[in-house]
Amino acid sequence: ETGVTQTPRHLVMGMTNKKSLKCEQHLGHNAMYWYKQSAKKPLELMFVYNFKEQTENNSVPSRFSPECPNSSHLFLHLHTLQPEDSALYLCASSQEGRLAANTGELFFGEGSRLTVL
Amino acid sequence: GQQVMQIPQYQHVQEGEDFTTYCNSSTTLSNIQWYKQRPGGHPVFLIQLVKSGEVKKQKRLTFQFGEAKKNSSLHITATQTTDVGTYFCAGRGSNYQLIWGAGTKLIIKP
Repeated sequence: ETGVTQTPRHLVMGMTNKKSLKCEQHLGHNAMYWYKQSAKKPLELMFVYNFKEQTENNSVPSRFSPECPNSSHLFLHLHTLQPEDSALYLCASSQEGRLAANTGELFFGEGSRLTVL
Repeated sequence: GQQVMQIPQYQHVQEGEDFTTYCNSSTTLSNIQWYKQRPGGHPVFLIQLVKSGEVKKQKRLTFQFGEAKKNSSLHITATQTTDVGTYFCAGRGSNYQLIWGAGTKLIIKP
């Protein structure tokens, strides 16, 4: 139990499907993240929510749409994905100061393994 | 943009041998974190280094942060099968977001 729970753990979808990934953190943290992990590549930051406000999106394609209804829950809505979007999607949370530089360690969920056919 | 290069990509060692991975940043970092990801698992935080020249130890693991705060290393003494996994460094850049290295995979030869 990491304190960060992701569902589903595995997802197979077609290019025309719409699906969502869910993340819930039980640590009382105020920042949540979506990362994409592909083989032989560094972790790619997709979205950051700090105090429920999106602060970074790193030019992610619009077929990925995040939603953060509160500081404990984070969703990643998926629509008309491409096969190259197949990857492990990791959610993480951390405790960050509102004004200070971000210095918190990240707590990761176990990831959602996505396959796009 | 800011990058963190991590080498080697893979390292094969016999059990009991040492292991080292290195990270080099194109710019000065405010701090650097290290994570371990077991096969099939998720990254788990190991340590954070903040000060120039800082050295920290966790049992058989030794972490160093360079004087210029641009490079860092992780050294494992006398590897064990439980050390298997991928080790990532992640440095805090000028925009305070983490810049991740590509990871070094530690493989224990049978």
